Amino acid sequence: DTGVSQNPRHKITKRGQNVTFRCDPISEHNRLYWYRQTLGQGPEFLTYFQNEAQLEKSRLLSDRFSAERPKGSFSTLEIQRTEQGDSAMYLCASSFGLGQETQYFGPGTRLLVL
Amino acid sequence: QQPVQSPQAVILREGEDAVINCSSSKALYSVHWYRQKHGEAPVFLMILLKGGEQKGHEKISASFNEKKQQSSLYLTASQLSYSGTYFCGTEASGSRLTFGEGTQLTVNP
Repeated sequence: DTGVSQNPRHKITKRGQNVTFRCDPISEHNRLYWYRQTLGQGPEFLTYFQNEAQLEKSRLLSDRFSAERPKGSFSTLEIQRTEQGDSAMYLCASSFGLGQETQYFGPGTRLLVL
Repeated sequence: QQPVQSPQAVILREGEDAVINCSSSKALYSVHWYRQKHGEAPVFLMILLKGGEQKGHEKISASFNEKKQQSSLYLTASQLSYSGTYFCGTEASGSRLTFGEGTQLTVNP
């Protein structure tokens, strides 16, 4: 049973460039979450999907951020016109159910914006 | 609103016990506990659902007082492998988890 996978694991980009991250959830998991974590802080919720529907977005998710889960399987998170403040670890988690279920995290994508 | 964790940091000798607390100002459906080691993803420890149920496995257990919106994680006879940052994640509405700032636990030989 494979866990949640994320690619790339590390990304260095210049300010103003666009970046895209991918998350592959645990097979059969209907829910997929994106979180952002900065040093010394807990993960902060960004958005989540139930199957292909994006059900909730945080106010943290500015217009430069967009997430998709086109077929209810893998998901992508795109950041346009990156800023230095976007530097963080981007974590993906998945779960099976309709609430109050365990969320399993992937290894994360560490983004550094120069 | 972010749950409040205490203490912020704790240092133990191997074999000692520790308690980590998590307090929320919101009515909660569930509390989730994770441990994260430096540079790694958070690893699920346990989930406590509304109902005040106490859960545990091996030497790690937790309780949830839904009237006070508080949860505590109990680590007994700590091992070196317990070192890391412990986060509580609270579920108040929807399915999003709101995480505390974490408690850094160091277990020394």
